[in-house]
Amino acid sequence: GDSVTQMEGPVTLSEEAFLTINCTYTATGYPSLFWYVQYPGEGLQLLLKATKADDKGSNKGFEATYRKETTSFHLEKGSVQVSDSAVYFCALSETFSGNTPLVFGKGTRLSVIA
Amino acid sequence: NAGVTQTPKFQVLKTGQSMTLQCAQDMNHNSMYWYRQDPGMGLRLIYYSASEGTTDKGEVPNGYNVSRLNKREFSLRLESAAPSQTSVYFCASRPTSGGTQETQYFGPGTRLLVL
Repeated sequence: GDSVTQMEGPVTLSEEAFLTINCTYTATGYPSLFWYVQYPGEGLQLLLKATKADDKGSNKGFEATYRKETTSFHLEKGSVQVSDSAVYFCALSETFSGNTPLVFGKGTRLSVIA
Repeated sequence: NAGVTQTPKFQVLKTGQSMTLQCAQDMNHNSMYWYRQDPGMGLRLIYYSASEGTTDKGEVPNGYNVSRLNKREFSLRLESAAPSQTSVYFCASRPTSGGTQETQYFGPGTRLLVL
């Protein structure tokens, strides 16, 4: 079945460092891809998404490009801030139906230190 | 819009007690989901409801039951709580009109401790 693999955390960076969180997926069709963020003590919220190959999703300085040839959707940010400390989840949505749940990776915890 | 709301926020149970976690959404979404989140395990799907009147098992359904009461509400019941059910529980909803690109919206979570 469909699956999402994320890099293991935790990731610790200094403020203003460059961030990459790797995400690769396995899917039988052409899924939509998502990044969610979970701040401490809160639920998950959508950070960005891409719905077809070569699309780039972006939000709050974060970007991710849907790469069909490498089945990847890596999250990047050029200069992280302490407020970016959170858990990040990569997810995909199956091609066939919008009714089925998103498939989530295990999450990557990011800590940014001043 | 309140979005997805969950009650209670926190709960402590003794082993063997029962309780129901409530979830409601005011976005007129067809699909609703229950997840549990444990350290190092990410999110695991317990049950979901693709539309009013239907429910399906997810990855970890044992020990839980659900009720899709109407389009707005989707409750999760623990009939006889066990310490292994200590977790943070998240409810989510999703519109289905736009197909696979639709986003899931999450509630703030219920933190459950079973002693």
